[in-house]
Formats: sequence, structure tokens, C-alpha cells
Amino acid sequence: GENVEQHPSTLSVQEGDSAVIKCTYSDSASNYFPWYKQELGKRPQLIIDIRSNVGEKKDQRIAVTLNKTAKHFSLHITETQPEDSAVYFCAASGGAGSYQLTFGKGTKLSVIP
Amino acid sequence: SQTIHQWPATLVQPVGSPLSLECTVEGTSNPNLYWYRQAAGRGLQLLFYSVGIGQISSEVPQNLSASRPQDRQFILSSKKLLLSDSGFYLCAWGDRRDTEAFFGQGTRLTVV
Repeated sequence: GENVEQHPSTLSVQEGDSAVIKCTYSDSASNYFPWYKQELGKRPQLIIDIRSNVGEKKDQRIAVTLNKTAKHFSLHITETQPEDSAVYFCAASGGAGSYQLTFGKGTKLSVIP
Repeated sequence: SQTIHQWPATLVQPVGSPLSLECTVEGTSNPNLYWYRQAAGRGLQLLFYSVGIGQISSEVPQNLSASRPQDRQFILSSKKLLLSDSGFYLCAWGDRRDTEAFFGQGTRLTVV
């Protein structure tokens, strides 16, 4: 089955700096890569996703890049703000006709004002 | 629009007692349904998923079970809870055309 590794597990940045979270996956057939943000005590919510036919996708301060050859994808947050503080999860799915998402273990991002 | 309802929001149960968590989805038909568990400070562990009524796939061995009696209803059960069953349980659904998962509000289960 799919295995997703996520780094770092914790990340602290100064407000206004950029944050980068990286994930690798094992199943070369995976074709869908979402990122979720989970605030304390709340449900994870999709913030951005990318499919295997695209190398990069941007939505305001958030961008995701995908390198299918190397089987890794990254989340980039620019001009971080205190409200960006949360746990971020990457995931992968679609391998071998699978519908279920396999999640990374999460990155706790703290933005220091 | 689609919505997902999960209840209860919090639950405190004694060891050895039964469990039933319910999840329903509105505004879509034939969704993929999922149960995840999140231990404190940990990642999301997929417990069960279902692609149709009566079709349940289990990802990890445990004393939990799942059932899908109706197209948009997904139930997580246990006959006898263990202390290790404590955690944050999340139901989610996915559209068959895409594979993103939309999560319910979650149930915080504490087994005492």
C-alpha cells in the first residue's frame, strides 16, 4: 500500500517568513495529493490539492509543488500570519484504483508574532 | 450543497462498554465513506472505508467494526471498549469523481 512521509514534524517561523513542508510517497501510481489544515480541536479542512498532471498550483499565499519523478510534493506558505498556526497534513491517493487517502503524520506549524 | 453530520461531539465511556458513532451525509449519493482515528498529537489513521452499502474494508485489526446500512449512513461500533480506543474519531466522505475527503466535526471519545 501507499506510504506517506512528512517532514518536519514541528516548524516555527517568524510572522512574515515563509514555511515549507515536504512529503514523499511510495506508490508511483498515486495521482492526487491534497493538503489539509487542522486547527486545535477541529476537523481537518482541505486547503489546496494537486493532481499528477500538474507540477505546481498556487492559491494566494499557498502553493504546492509536485515532483512525480522523485515522488515528493511540498507545501509553501508565504508571508505567514499567526492564523496560519495549525497542524498540516499531506496525503496521497489514487494508486492502483484506490479511493482512500493515505495521510502523513502531520506538521505542527507555529507562527510567532 | 453537501454536508456531513457526525455525532456525538464528545463521549465518555467506561472500559468494556459498547460504542456506536453515527455519521450521515446529505446532498450526494453513493459517496465513499471513511472512519479515521486521531490519537492525541498524532496523525490520521484510516480505520474503515466503504464504497457502497454493505461494503466495508478494514485497514487495521482492532476491536472496532463499521457498518453501512444505508447509502449515506456510516456507523462505527465496538462491543467492548478498551482504554486504547480513546481518541478523536472523524468520519469523512469523498465524491467518486474526485478523491478529496471532507471531514465531519469529529467525536472526542474518552474511555475511562
